[in-house]
Amino acid sequence: QVQLQESGPGLVKPSETLSLICTVSGGSISSYYWSWIRQPPGKGLEWIGYNYYSGSANYNPSLKSRVTISVDSSRNQFSLKLSSVTAADTAVYYCARNGGSYSFDYWGQGTLVTVSS
Amino acid sequence: QSALTQPASVSGSVGQSITISCTGTSSDIGTYNYVSWYQQHPGKAPKLMIYDVNNRPSGVSNRFSGSKSGNTASLTISGLQAEDEADYYCSSHTSSSTLYVFGTGTKVTVL
Repeated sequence: QVQLQESGPGLVKPSETLSLICTVSGGSISSYYWSWIRQPPGKGLEWIGYNYYSGSANYNPSLKSRVTISVDSSRNQFSLKLSSVTAADTAVYYCARNGGSYSFDYWGQGTLVTVSS
Repeated sequence: QSALTQPASVSGSVGQSITISCTGTSSDIGTYNYVSWYQQHPGKAPKLMIYDVNNRPSGVSNRFSGSKSGNTASLTISGLQAEDEADYYCSSHTSSSTLYVFGTGTKVTVL
């Protein structure tokens, strides 16, 4: 059974860079696309972007200038970096596996990141 | 790319059937059979319930079914049970550079 686990700071200061890691267990990170999705408190879901183990990334245009998603096959991990954060970036951040057919079949439990000084 | 439109809330009694609509455009639902549905209980991660309009992942109850007509997709829950009370989100592939668009979400209440 594939499992995903997010890790990283729960508090980030405005203008700094948000950094999260997703560790994949129970399966190889190869041969799948891996996404980050966020959900502001009380609001809906927003796809941030994905990358492939070979390095083929694609990002939501609304965040593209600030986002980097990387995959580390040797550690079975992928990461999210979001720069120049503001309060609007406060959200629960989920990592997820793209299961094909543009759906997300496995999700991490989510981690709340608050942007505040 | 605007979010897909869902009703804010839908309710039903135990044992009844309910249907949640998800309205998009010709750039997403109207063109692609890549509609998926997610169930989210409070404080939990979303769970994939339906993919490719009407396919259920292994382990998902057959009380959940999906369909599509034109620019609107639908999720039907039959034999409503207390544990079905949750938020539900639809999602679709889109031809815009966003690639994925989610719905606004629907809160299902079991009376």
